[in-house]
Amino acid sequence: EAQVTQNPRYLITVTGKKLTVTCSQNMNHEYMSWYRQDPGLGLRQIYYSMNVEVTDKGDVPEGYKVSRKEKRNFPLILESPSPNQTSLYFCASSLTVNSYEQYFGPGTRLTVT
Amino acid sequence: QQPVQSPQAVILREGEDAVINCSSSKALYSVHWYRQKHGEAPVFLMILLKGGEQKGHDKISASFNEKKQQSSLYLTASQLSYSGTYFCGTGLTTSGTYKYIFGTGTRLKVLA
Repeated sequence: EAQVTQNPRYLITVTGKKLTVTCSQNMNHEYMSWYRQDPGLGLRQIYYSMNVEVTDKGDVPEGYKVSRKEKRNFPLILESPSPNQTSLYFCASSLTVNSYEQYFGPGTRLTVT
Repeated sequence: QQPVQSPQAVILREGEDAVINCSSSKALYSVHWYRQKHGEAPVFLMILLKGGEQKGHDKISASFNEKKQQSSLYLTASQLSYSGTYFCGTGLTTSGTYKYIFGTGTRLKVLA
């Protein structure tokens, strides 16, 4: 079954404690993204990756890091989380940025206290 | 920079029609439409790749006016399952960037 998986689904953590949210896809997609969703602000892209070892900033990259060492995996790293990073996070993948649909993971609800 | 959708919210009775518009200040090379239920991931509805293209399945269709940098989503004879937030989206592939950007969103509620 074609899918994007994210873990964990829910996470409560404290300010400054490093965390990683994993994302994996099984469709051999080249383009992968991380989005955050906040009430009234819609879906905003954090980082994207065009392929292995190729990553770039989206619209709200501050406070986040990513890596793409393998085609299937695209983890999101928060080195020092802060309360303003409390949000709903989605990972997504597609063949290309424009011509094909994005497949979304189920989401990770992160709370930073 | 974010495409603007209108209306922001709409309430319908079952069987009524709705139109959701997506307007961009930048050139659109393609338009994607997604529906999202509360707390769930967005679900792909359709993609329009060419100006003048119209697509549809079931009772949901869309059009893309490349010159006007606009797209519209048409929901006819709405069903309760159509409730959710609708987003248009597009890839920005200029100046070496390959960002993806979503529109502002339209909340749609269908009442029995």
